[in-house]
Amino acid sequence: DAGITQSPRHKVTETGTPVTLRCHQTENHRYMYWYRQDPGHGLRLIHYSYGVKDTDKGEVSDGYSVSRSKTEDFLLTLESATSSQTSVYFCAISERETQYFGPGTRLLVL
Amino acid sequence: QKEVEQNSGPLSVPEGAIASLNCTYSDRGSQSFFWYRQYSGKSPELIMFIYSNGDKEDGRFTAQLNKASQYVSLLIRDSQPSDSATYLCAVNSVNSGYSTLTFGKGTMLLVS
Repeated sequence: DAGITQSPRHKVTETGTPVTLRCHQTENHRYMYWYRQDPGHGLRLIHYSYGVKDTDKGEVSDGYSVSRSKTEDFLLTLESATSSQTSVYFCAISERETQYFGPGTRLLVL
Repeated sequence: QKEVEQNSGPLSVPEGAIASLNCTYSDRGSQSFFWYRQYSGKSPELIMFIYSNGDKEDGRFTAQLNKASQYVSLLIRDSQPSDSATYLCAVNSVNSGYSTLTFGKGTMLLVS
């Protein structure tokens, strides 16, 4: 357990509404990541952060934004949710290059 | 586009047998290689990592790396029903000085 929590764990929302997912860590790790996991696509990197206010895009960043105002929290926002963003979202932290994952958030966009 | 390829399976092995999971990758600059296990409905958990060519053993698990062939494998000895899960191969890449992981789609292992 790398001290990672995600909230909410489950969410159902409607198309066009904004959604924010939170990742919280307790061990002061510098690097944090957001992934989505979909059948047939595996885990894909959305955004990552290498420090407070320092973020960069991953492979599938369109439609997503992130913010990191403090070391322990990394927020993922879907500005206007679409059905294609229905997925399981995982947050991860890294120690050196090894990544450890949070429990995930299941998001359903109707 | 950096790619990591795995056979999706399912790979079915009898209890007590050796399970062999394979992974190939496209980025010749990759230096770190990881195997994760993911049970249905759960998050990926790290099994082991390998940086150098050759074998690395940890209990019933052995990771094998061949950088020249761009090939990574995971052997599970004395397979148990509790090993039934999806196994994810991950390979690092460095972009703008920061390391990220690219994951394969995973191989489902069934032990019965």
